[in-house]
Amino acid sequence: DAGVTQSPTHLIKTRGQQVTLRCSPKSGHDTVSWYQQALGQGPQFIFQYYEEEERQRGNFPDRFSGHQFPNYSSELNVNALLLGDSALYLCASSFQGRANYGYTFGSGTRLTVV
Amino acid sequence: AQSVTQLGSHVSVSEGALVLLRCNYSSSVPPYLFWYVQYPNQGLQLLLKYTSAATLVKGINGFEAEFKKSETSFHLTKPSAHMSDAAEYFCAVSPMDSNYQLIWGAGTKLIIKP
Repeated sequence: DAGVTQSPTHLIKTRGQQVTLRCSPKSGHDTVSWYQQALGQGPQFIFQYYEEEERQRGNFPDRFSGHQFPNYSSELNVNALLLGDSALYLCASSFQGRANYGYTFGSGTRLTVV
Repeated sequence: AQSVTQLGSHVSVSEGALVLLRCNYSSSVPPYLFWYVQYPNQGLQLLLKYTSAATLVKGINGFEAEFKKSETSFHLTKPSAHMSDAAEYFCAVSPMDSNYQLIWGAGTKLIIKP
C-alpha cells in the first residue's frame, strides 16, 4: 500500500522565482494538508484541502497557494520566492482531514532558495 | 492561541535507560494530543495520540504517554531505550472544536549512547 508520495525530493530555486510541489495522498485518504518545516523547528501549518477547496489556512501570505485535483492529489505553489522560504515542505494526507484520525506524512520536499 | 512547549531540544540517554521527553500545552480546553517521530530524511510518523479516552496511551515501539490535565502535560516515556530510538520527537496538539490542523512543538532530538 503506497503511502504519501511527494515530488520532487529536492529543489533549488532563485529568489523571485516560482515553485510547484506535488503530493499524492495515501490510498483511501481524501484530504491533503501542507506544512512548512524550517531547519531545527517544528512544522507550521500552511493549509488544508478537502473536496478540492481550501478548508483552513495557517498564517502564511498569499504567495502560498494550492490546489486539489479530483483524484485527491494536491499541489503547493509558492510565488516570488524569498530566502526565508527555504525549508522542508511536508504533505500529510488523512480521511476527512481530522487530526484525531491520524495523519500520514510524506518524506517531504527540501526547497532551497538561493 | 494554543501552543506547545517541549522542554529540551536535545535529550541524551544510555541504551537500556528510561526515556522521558516532556511536552506541555497551553489551552483553555484540553485538546487532542499527539507524539510524532521523525527519522533523518523521512517524514513524520505517528507514535501515539490522546483523544479524550484513556489518559494513559500506549503507542508503537514500546512508547507510552500520560495525559495530565492538572499539569497540562503529555510526556512521552519508554522504559528501555534502544539505539533504533534515536530520532527527533515532536509533540503536537489539535483543538477539539477545529480539528483540521496540528500545532507543533519545536521538537526534541533523542540521542542514545551505547
